[in-house]
Amino acid sequence: TQLLEQSPQFLSIQEGENLTVYCNSSSVFSSLQWYRQEPGEGPVLLVTVVTGGEVKKLKRLTFQFGDARKDSSLHITAAQPGDTGLYLCAGSAGGTSYGKLTFGQGTILTVHP
Amino acid sequence: NAGVTQTPKFRILKIGQSMTLQCAQDMNHNYMYWYRQDPGMGLKLIYYSVGAGITDKGEVPNGYNVSRSTTEDFPLRLELAAPSQTSVYFCASSYSSGTYEQYFGPGTRLTVT
Repeated sequence: TQLLEQSPQFLSIQEGENLTVYCNSSSVFSSLQWYRQEPGEGPVLLVTVVTGGEVKKLKRLTFQFGDARKDSSLHITAAQPGDTGLYLCAGSAGGTSYGKLTFGQGTILTVHP
Repeated sequence: NAGVTQTPKFRILKIGQSMTLQCAQDMNHNYMYWYRQDPGMGLKLIYYSVGAGITDKGEVPNGYNVSRSTTEDFPLRLELAAPSQTSVYFCASSYSSGTYEQYFGPGTRLTVT
């Protein structure tokens, strides 16, 4: 069974601070996705990383896939209250896994004005 | 496009009752999934389907059943509700190739008392 350990579980920061969320596993994934979820809604895809060492940027969010494709990080620069939400990483084993994802436990981010 | 729709939004069941959670998608996705989300536990896969007439168990299938008679619909059936099934249920769909990014519905909040 593949597991994804996400840390920290909770993060409470002030507007303008930087933060990093980590997603680690002992298993190799063919791709890794990051989702953001707001209260009362379903997760929404932010990004997919596929290649080891890949870095993707989405405005103030930077996503990195580890060289060995076992871990990933999400870095937010100058956080804003609108970034508040639950962030989930999810890994795909690829091949014949039929798109099944393994999710981390999630990081609840609160950005205070 | 409506994307992925789920009904009902909320439901309270008594122990032993049965119900069906409805899920439909209009993106012509072959792959569909049912997850449950418990606090601090991320999302756990209950069942998935790779096409009409084809379903398989996920990580936590006990107490649930599914069917897939059409590409669009993927209902989840709870036969004898138990308090342990109190959770938020999400349906998702994805393309059957590539990196399998998943599109989620808004969720059904179920309480069993």
